[in-house]
Amino acid sequence: GAVVSQHPSWVICKSGTSVKIECRSLDFQATTMFWYRQFPKQSLMLMATSNEGSKATYEQGVEKDKFLINHASLTLSTLTVTSAHPEDSSFYICIGGNNEKLFFGSGTQLSVL
Amino acid sequence: DQQVKQNSPSLSVQEGRISILNCDYTNSMFDYFLWYKKYPAEGPTFLISISSIKDKNEDGRFTVFLNKSAKHLSLHIVPSQPGDSAVYFCAAKVGETSGSRLTFGEGTQLTVNP
Repeated sequence: GAVVSQHPSWVICKSGTSVKIECRSLDFQATTMFWYRQFPKQSLMLMATSNEGSKATYEQGVEKDKFLINHASLTLSTLTVTSAHPEDSSFYICIGGNNEKLFFGSGTQLSVL
Repeated sequence: DQQVKQNSPSLSVQEGRISILNCDYTNSMFDYFLWYKKYPAEGPTFLISISSIKDKNEDGRFTVFLNKSAKHLSLHIVPSQPGDSAVYFCAAKVGETSGSRLTFGEGTQLTVNP
């Protein structure tokens, strides 16, 4: 069945490095990909919305130059956290949509040392 | 501004009893509501939804009630089972199509004790 495969599921990196999170839609074409993050004891907060082939729309307060989103195809979207810092440590999750349903990735726990 | 709130971070019930998870929202534009369940190290999975034109939707052991005037919805699980132990997220959106964004509550950890 349709599913979003998200990798990696967890990553630990040093401050200043970049981390790429990948979401692949399996058995469906994700025309829209939502990227959320969740800090401890808070709700999932939308970071950006991307539509295949166009630039992502970022939520207020989310730096587009720091969180690079690429949605070049209907089956692949990536989020790159550039020059990660400890305050970027969070749970990141993608949600793919195909105009009918939404499918969740499994999430990525990022820890920046 | 937290537009969707789940005020109870945790809930513990006995197996066989009813679990009631609550959710409140502030944005009157929301017209479609969903509940998701999340196990550790997994992504949330869809559980049940309700459109604002209804006040109740039932699917097996799960029933969602919507009170539009109070901007409140609740998820009832009866009878509760140990396998129901998970984090439950309430979410709301404007419009039923997948192109509209979800706004999530903070989640409620449900523990069902054998």
